[in-house]
Amino acid sequence: GAVVSQHPSWVICKSGTSVKIECRSLDFQATTMFWYRQFPKQSLMLMATSNEGSKATYEQGVEKDKFLINHASLTLSTLTVTSAHPEDSSFYICSATVHGTLYEQYFGPGTRLTVT
Amino acid sequence: AQKITQTQPGMFVQEKEAVTLDCTYDTSDQSYGLFWYKQPSSGEMIFLIYQGSYDEQNATEGRYSLNFQKARKSANLVISASQLGDSAMYFCAMREGLAGGFKTIFGAGTRLFVKA
Repeated sequence: GAVVSQHPSWVICKSGTSVKIECRSLDFQATTMFWYRQFPKQSLMLMATSNEGSKATYEQGVEKDKFLINHASLTLSTLTVTSAHPEDSSFYICSATVHGTLYEQYFGPGTRLTVT
Repeated sequence: AQKITQTQPGMFVQEKEAVTLDCTYDTSDQSYGLFWYKQPSSGEMIFLIYQGSYDEQNATEGRYSLNFQKARKSANLVISASQLGDSAMYFCAMREGLAGGFKTIFGAGTRLFVKA
C-alpha cells in the first residue's frame, strides 16, 4: 500500500505554545486528508477533512481556530495546535486518500503530543 | 446514534483458536466500505481487511475473514489460528460514499488478548 508519513512522531511542548504536525503522502497524490485524535484507551475521533487547495471542514465540537489545518499541496497537510494546553495532549493520526474512492485510504503512523 | 458499534470491549482467545470480533453499522448510503484495523501498542493503524457494500463475496486476507451480513448490517472479523502477536486493539470502521462525504468513522474498538 501507499506510504504516509507524519512528523514529528512525538513532541513535548509547553502550555501556551503552538505545535505543527506534518502529514505527507510519499507515493501518491492525496486530494483529501483526514485528521483524527485519539485519547488513551479510546477510539479515533475525526477532527477535520482537508481537501487540497480549499479550507478544511471541521467536525462538530472541534475548534477551527485552535486546530489550524492547511492542505497546500497534493502531498502535504499540516495540523497546527495553537496555544496548546494539557488537555490537547493526545495521539494525532492523519490519513490520506483520493477523493471519491472508498477503498484507497492510508494512515500515517501518528504523532504523540504531550503538553506540559 | 452510533454508526459503528463494537459491543465487546475485551476478548480472550486461546492461542491457535479462532475468534470473532463483532461489528454492526448503520448507514443509509448504498455505497460504503467497511474496514478492520489492528492497532498495537505502538499506535500505528494496520489495515487488515476491506469489504465493499456491493461485494457479494465475504472478504478474506490470510487468517482474516470478514463475515458480511448486509441485511443485518454486520461486519464481523474472524481471526483463525490466533497467534500471540494478534494481541492488540481492533477497530471496525466504515467509510460512507458521497452522502457521507467519504469520511471514515471508527467503532470503540475491541481489545483482544491471546493466551498461550
